[in-house]
Amino acid sequence: GENVEQHPSTLSVQEGDSAVIKCTYSDSASNYFPWYKQELGKGPQLIIDIRSNVGEKKDQRIAVTLNKTAKHFSLHITETQPEDSAVYFCAAINEKLTFGTGTRLTIIP
Amino acid sequence: EAGVVQSPRYKIIEKKQPVAFWCNPISGHNTLYWYLQNLGQGPELLIRYENEEAVDDSQLPKDRFSAERLKGVDSTLKIQPAELGDSAVYLCASSLGLSGPRNEQFFGPGTRLTVL
Repeated sequence: GENVEQHPSTLSVQEGDSAVIKCTYSDSASNYFPWYKQELGKGPQLIIDIRSNVGEKKDQRIAVTLNKTAKHFSLHITETQPEDSAVYFCAAINEKLTFGTGTRLTIIP
Repeated sequence: EAGVVQSPRYKIIEKKQPVAFWCNPISGHNTLYWYLQNLGQGPELLIRYENEEAVDDSQLPKDRFSAERLKGVDSTLKIQPAELGDSAVYLCASSLGLSGPRNEQFFGPGTRLTVL
């Protein structure tokens, strides 16, 4: 089955700086890579996704990149704000949605 | 539009007791998922329903866990008997359509289970 590794497990950045979270996957058949944000006491919420026929996708301050050859994909958040503080999960989909282990992002005011 | 509703939000039971969780998906969503989320980990799929049919229950520990979605809408997940290691958050999600997990999944707030 699919195995998704995510780094770092915790990340603290100054407000206004950028944050980068990286993931690798193992199953070359995976072709859809969503990113979820989970706030305390809530379920994960989709924030952006990328399909395997695209190398990069951007939505305002959030961007994702995908390197299919290396089986790497990354989340980039620019101009971070306090409300970006949360746990972020990458995921990969082949037959089912497989999540990474999560990154706790803290934005320091 | 109401999101995915789960109840109860919190449940504390003693080991060996039974427990049940309820989920009401977003109206019109054909596919329903139950996930298990251990502390500090990502959610792991337990079971996926398409309408009332369980199409993927390969990760459901069938000796103590059971689930049903009788009319293709609400769903119940049951554990009997509960063990200490079952303490976790149980998440329900739903998605529109029947093309598998690639459709956007909308998650409920989860039920936090503590087994003493």
